[in-house]
Amino acid sequence: DADVTQTPRNRITKTGKRIMLECSQTKGHDRMYWYRQDPGLGLRLIYYSFDVKDINKGEISDGYSVSRQAQAKFSLSLESAIPNQTALYFCATSPGGLDTQYFGPGTRLTVL
Amino acid sequence: EDQVTQSPEALRLQEGESSSLNCSYTVSGLRGLFWYRQDPGKGPEFLFTLYSAGEEKEKERLKATLTKKESFLHITAPKPEDSATYLCAVRSYTGGFKTIFGAGTRLFVKA
Repeated sequence: DADVTQTPRNRITKTGKRIMLECSQTKGHDRMYWYRQDPGLGLRLIYYSFDVKDINKGEISDGYSVSRQAQAKFSLSLESAIPNQTALYFCATSPGGLDTQYFGPGTRLTVL
Repeated sequence: EDQVTQSPEALRLQEGESSSLNCSYTVSGLRGLFWYRQDPGKGPEFLFTLYSAGEEKEKERLKATLTKKESFLHITAPKPEDSATYLCAVRSYTGGFKTIFGAGTRLFVKA
């Protein structure tokens, strides 16, 4: 079984809709992250969380919000989706210390 | 500003043809440099972490090296299953909690 799972794997939605992407992990890691990946660009950090009570903005947090429901669950929401949020979204975890990150399989989001 | 540039964007090799991928970085105080492999439709998979200039790490046909300005991922006698996108990333002591990723090098190995 995968250590980091993401749902849904693919989603097509319309401009203005609210969307939630979910991430679950069985690795027992405290730290969780959300990234987006666009063609020709590197992965960019949206939000990160060091524990359930600690949520931090990354470099591109505008238009996104997150919820850390438990150590194992970290959700990303797009309150009102827009077309330039079309991208691949990845959740990742790490055990703290120096930053080896373990990624989920990704969610392909298309906003029409 | 911390920056990571990978080259080439794409590399096509014949099976057995050794080559190197380059990762140039600009960072204020390197905390760590990371290499990941990403297969189509999957998330990145961790390969190596390098911490200081002169350090080298190996795994099967892959060898990563680090200088003060760049890192190389050497691929010796590649096989078709080595085809993937290879991502380089850095973390600095002054960048807060932020890992900067390069855009990646797409490697194609033909049998």
